[in-house]
Amino acid sequence: GAGVSQSPSNKVTEKGKDVELRCDPISGHTALYWYRQSLGQGLEFLIYFQGNSAPDKSGLPSDRFSAERTGGSVSTLTIQRTQQEDSAVYLCASSSVGARGDTQYFGPGTRLTVL
Amino acid sequence: QQQVKQSPQSLIVQKGGISIINCAYENTAFDYFPWYQQFPGKGPALLIAIRPDVSEKKEGRFTISFNKSAKQFSLHIMDSQPGDSATYFCAASKGTYKYIFGTGTRLKVLA
Repeated sequence: GAGVSQSPSNKVTEKGKDVELRCDPISGHTALYWYRQSLGQGLEFLIYFQGNSAPDKSGLPSDRFSAERTGGSVSTLTIQRTQQEDSAVYLCASSSVGARGDTQYFGPGTRLTVL
Repeated sequence: QQQVKQSPQSLIVQKGGISIINCAYENTAFDYFPWYQQFPGKGPALLIAIRPDVSEKKEGRFTISFNKSAKQFSLHIMDSQPGDSATYFCAASKGTYKYIFGTGTRLKVLA
């Protein structure tokens, strides 16, 4: 079946603009994750959604970052007033139930460049 | 205490050789240790994972060795192939979905 898809694959924006990144998880997966991958760094956890539960937003670096998940499926990560340090690859992953040991399947990522 | 330290940052191995990537952690509450493989332009994909109740897990040419007392775990790739050239990430979690990732190792296997 189809894997996790993300759009756009690349996004170039100017400092101060808002951007929206989209994630389509694997059908039937109740858990959805956003990570940020900066050059030379590991994956940094941003936010986690599980079903109808309140999301775990503990990894969001500032209040300029927000995410929502509509209808328990598609998710959008929004970055307001982008800064150059926001430049990174934003990865989305989904898993079937979101428990420990539950395989997280990653999308190809969105490469964000803030000029 | 939440960090997972990964080394080396990059690794070059001859075809047929053994690639070894090491990770160390401090939080003894971690109880799940996956390794992810990432090819350029792709998202990471789960390669192999281990829990601390075993010292070794092997899947094909890939083996995880786990040393609980030293709080270290490593990935061994036997008979390394050019197709194994990728970035490898170790990770750890403690009873939840939230993984702490290492900084990655870029492996290049020479033909």
